[in-house]
Amino acid sequence: EIVLTQSPGTLSLSPGERATVSCRASQSLTSNYLAWYQQKSGQAPRLLIYGASRRATGIPDRFSGSGSGTDFTLTISRLEPEDFAVYYCQLYGNSRTFGQGTKLEIK
Amino acid sequence: EVQLVQSGAEVKKPGESLRISCQGSGYNFASYWIGWVRQMPGKGLEFMGRIDPSDPYPNYSPSFQGHVTISADKSISTAYLQWNSLKASDTAIYYCARLIEWELADFWGQGTLITVSS
Repeated sequence: EIVLTQSPGTLSLSPGERATVSCRASQSLTSNYLAWYQQKSGQAPRLLIYGASRRATGIPDRFSGSGSGTDFTLTISRLEPEDFAVYYCQLYGNSRTFGQGTKLEIK
Repeated sequence: EVQLVQSGAEVKKPGESLRISCQGSGYNFASYWIGWVRQMPGKGLEFMGRIDPSDPYPNYSPSFQGHVTISADKSISTAYLQWNSLKASDTAIYYCARLIEWELADFWGQGTLITVSS
């Protein structure tokens, strides 16, 4: 089973700054079936990115995904107040793996 | 508008049975798999399993096989998650989600909080 490890566990930044969250797979992915979700406190997760780099419908272009193989990255170019949340990566494609989450908090 | 509406919060005692529901609307329910995801208090997301509403055979993650039952009734656009004997460790929020590809979820229900306590 492939394990996804996110880093950092917590990221403290200010609005307007750039956020980078890493997701590392324990084995190289043969396909880019890697997604990112945002979960705000008390809410269901929301799909942000799929296929490693494709934005889901309605997601602002300040959110971007990149990577391949074992290393994937979610980047938020300029943080807005509503972006402070927990972010999860997920491997799909008959896999059932989520990363442990990265909390993005206001500095 | 695609919506998944889940049944309300439940408080149960250990050993009791429970079935929670997830009703889809705004799309052809039979055309998309439904997945269930657990989130224990203060913890991350865990994929429990999924079902094709048009196929009676669900697919479970190893950690949940034998502990829960996933089913669906496409005639009423509803999926279910069921326990025969709850444990305190089943206390969590359970989300259903529409799956567009394998375990990739594009729409989520609002979540159902299950509290199991004696």
